[in-house]
Amino acid sequence: NAGVTQTPKFRVLKTGQSMTLLCAQDMNHEYMYWYRQDPGMGLRLIHYSVGEGTTAKGEVPDGYNVSRLKKQNFLLGLESAAPSQTSVYFCASSYSIGKGTLSSGANVLTFGAGSRLTVL
Amino acid sequence: KQEVTQIPAALSVPEGENLVLNCSFTDSAIYNLQWFRQDPGKGLTSLLLIQSSQREQTSGRLNASLDKSSGRSTLYIAASQPGDSATYLCAVQDSNYQLIWGAGTKLIIKP
Repeated sequence: NAGVTQTPKFRVLKTGQSMTLLCAQDMNHEYMYWYRQDPGMGLRLIHYSVGEGTTAKGEVPDGYNVSRLKKQNFLLGLESAAPSQTSVYFCASSYSIGKGTLSSGANVLTFGAGSRLTVL
Repeated sequence: KQEVTQIPAALSVPEGENLVLNCSFTDSAIYNLQWFRQDPGKGLTSLLLIQSSQREQTSGRLNASLDKSSGRSTLYIAASQPGDSATYLCAVQDSNYQLIWGAGTKLIIKP
């Protein structure tokens, strides 16, 4: 059981280049998330998806686009990379975001190992 | 706006000590609070989840408490070991079902 797999693990881009980060999960989770982690800050939600074919903006969506064409995959795209997008990106998935009546296990996120992106 | 703070940012203790990590949040209207562990170069691993109606959760040498009224949670680690060295993050799920994260406490256990 692989859990959540992110590719690539490392990438260096030049300003203005584009790229796509791929997240794949094999747990049949409905919800998937993309976060970025910067030094001294908590994780910040970029975009998330509550099911196949649906996406929504998180806290810091500008400069990113996402797609969820298949339930198991969640793609994060940078159309024109900027140095401010240098960060570590984490993908996560869960059964649901939870509404209090679900068991605690349903609220737990499973994370990928992260993708370190450097934009020069 | 919900804000989550973890103090201290870093902590170094000798092996075998019991220790407490702190997490505070500004809005008590939360669904749950979670503690995660992050190892260098790896993803986050969920340690404990406390529902808003609960006061504490335990897993092995870890015990997490929640006091919603004061906006605080503590993660207690008993008999610390070098393998406990990692960054510990807390996150609250707010009334919009979003997770709001603290910046983490980097813990170093010295052999």
